[in-house]
Amino acid sequence: DQQVKQNSPSLSVQEGRISILNCDYTNSMFDYFLWYKKYPAEGPTFLISISSIKDKNEDGRFTVFLNKSAKHLSLHIVPSQPGDSAVYFCAASTGGFKTIFGAGTRLFVKA
Amino acid sequence: GAVVSQHPSRVICKSGTSVKIECRSLDFQATTMFWYRQFPKQSLMLMATSNEGSKATYEQGVEKDKFLINHASLTLSTLTVTSAHPEDSSFYICSARDGRREGGTEAFFGQGTRLTVV
Repeated sequence: DQQVKQNSPSLSVQEGRISILNCDYTNSMFDYFLWYKKYPAEGPTFLISISSIKDKNEDGRFTVFLNKSAKHLSLHIVPSQPGDSAVYFCAASTGGFKTIFGAGTRLFVKA
Repeated sequence: GAVVSQHPSRVICKSGTSVKIECRSLDFQATTMFWYRQFPKQSLMLMATSNEGSKATYEQGVEKDKFLINHASLTLSTLTVTSAHPEDSSFYICSARDGRREGGTEAFFGQGTRLTVV
């Protein structure tokens, strides 16, 4: 049972444009959501997070939106840069404890 | 951000031997550590969660006698793959968090260990 789903395995975007990565979840008990970025053969690095009491969190070029009624969150990267090319994992946790990851979306930013 | 060091980064072992992977939090106290396994082109699968000083909690389908986890201190957790077989070959990643810290609950990840069993 996949509690966190990233239905797009890959996304290709032109440099300077907006990248939108989507994530859906099924467990209404999740109260904290995170996005991680991962390069090959490395551990994920934390990017941005959002608590379930908010609907938006912004950090520089990265903004995460949360729609609790739809159990959907998205990561917006604008403007996209070639260095943003990586695999992005959406993750969710309950009480900040066990974190469940989505399958990841590979982002390609073309110069 | 906080630093988590995982060692070794790569290991090749013979079938039937055991391998130990270490995960250290370098600049914070890790009250909780998580061990993940990643198959090629797949997501991170949580194997087990360990709290310092207590037994690890394993996810369904993970053999606790095969994947031994020790979290004896607030800065070190180890994963031992016992009697390794080729199907255990994978990328293992640890993550750590300080549950007492105010604010964000993000975990910090080690660099991962590529295990190849021949």
